[in-house]
Amino acid sequence: AQTVTQSQPEMSVQEAETVTLSCTYDTSENNYYLFWYKQPPSRQMILVIRQEAYKQQNATENRFSVNFQKAAKSFSLKISDSQLGDTAMYFCAFMKHEDYGGATNKLIFGTGTLLAVQP
Amino acid sequence: GAGVSQSPRYKVAKRGQDVALRCDPISGHVSLFWYQQALGQGPEFLTYFQNEAQLDKSGLPSDRFFAERPEGSVSTLKIQRTQQEDSAVYLCASGPKSSYNEQFFGPGTRLTVL
Repeated sequence: AQTVTQSQPEMSVQEAETVTLSCTYDTSENNYYLFWYKQPPSRQMILVIRQEAYKQQNATENRFSVNFQKAAKSFSLKISDSQLGDTAMYFCAFMKHEDYGGATNKLIFGTGTLLAVQP
Repeated sequence: GAGVSQSPRYKVAKRGQDVALRCDPISGHVSLFWYQQALGQGPEFLTYFQNEAQLDKSGLPSDRFFAERPEGSVSTLKIQRTQQEDSAVYLCASGPKSSYNEQFFGPGTRLTVL
């Protein structure tokens, strides 16, 4: 079974600074996807960034980037130039890669990191 | 276009009552997932539909939980004889056939069982 661990329940960062959120996972699979989702207080889960395990290059999306270390099973999220709107709960998630028609492709989430951006 | 919608947004039930939670996925999305998110926790998978077929219900915690998607669009999650441990936010997500790894989430239904 796959597990996802987020060891930082809460973090705080000053506006315009950089913060890194940690995530580790455990799996015996070789092909999978990793995600960071953002859940603001309104509770709508939004995809921040996605990484395919077979790609060595780290994914980036504007101010968001990841440090994917496959051997170490580590997948951290770096937020640069933090903004007040980044305040939210951040979830790391794992999905096994199955491309046959009936595959479930369910997400397995960590327990989340509550990020507070201070003005 | 419109995103995933869920109703009601909030539901309070007395222990023992039955509840029904609705999910309207993004139009044309083939995949539909239900997740349960307890307070302070990450979402946990409940069940998965591909069109009208329920292909995976391994996450349903008991036989009091039942989900359906009869026409391959709207889905309903029903909980019979609710218990206090059923209190949680229930999230629905849908995904397009073209990309199996994408899931778009609704705002959730917060269920409180008294």
